[in-house]
Amino acid sequence: QKEVEQNSGPLSVPEGAIASLNCTYSDRGSQSFFWYRQYSGKSPELIMFIYSNGDKEDGRFTAQLNKASQYVSLLIRDSQPSDSATYLCAVNSAVRDTGRRALTFGSGTRLQVQP
Amino acid sequence: GAGVSQSPSNKVTEKGKDVELRCDPISGHTALYWYRQSLGQGLEFLIYFQGNSAPDKSGLPSDRFSAERTGGSVSTLTIQRTQQEDSAVYLCASSLLGSGNTIYFGEGSWLTVV
Repeated sequence: QKEVEQNSGPLSVPEGAIASLNCTYSDRGSQSFFWYRQYSGKSPELIMFIYSNGDKEDGRFTAQLNKASQYVSLLIRDSQPSDSATYLCAVNSAVRDTGRRALTFGSGTRLQVQP
Repeated sequence: GAGVSQSPSNKVTEKGKDVELRCDPISGHTALYWYRQSLGQGLEFLIYFQGNSAPDKSGLPSDRFSAERTGGSVSTLTIQRTQQEDSAVYLCASSLLGSGNTIYFGEGSWLTVV
């Protein structure tokens, strides 16, 4: 089982719709959760981070965290064509052998917003 | 500097040659990461430096890969005897404290082994 799992997509939504991106993780001890956006040929850029159960809103973006279900999601309201990108979920996970924690990324979900 | 700086931005090298990739993290950031991303793939963790602690090298794919961080700032990732499967973009990132904090990426070094 991968430490951080995402559906690779593509997820296609019409302009103005809500895009829902999901991520599950395996390490119950994880404490920090991040969403990054990566445009083709570019490096990842941070969208949001969340540490506590519940919802966190920032403009059109809402991150949702459920630690009991080991599930984190990103909602994008009023999706725009410029939101078309790959969205990477990242989790602060324990490194098995050393016990130290490194940020582990999922493989990303490709979002396509259709004009 | 204002952001994470990486060099070279692009590198084409012949199979079997050694390459060095450099990363200059955001000033004051104590944690530094190297990731690798092959075309169309996710981010693969390589190595993590945190302050003066021993680096976490658990992600390095083979002994051809090594990295060092001098003076707690600039880092160099070295790939010896490059192979075609090493072709990827190598991303450096830094954060203020440890991995529980937001990490910021550089623009990457695109490596092509021919």
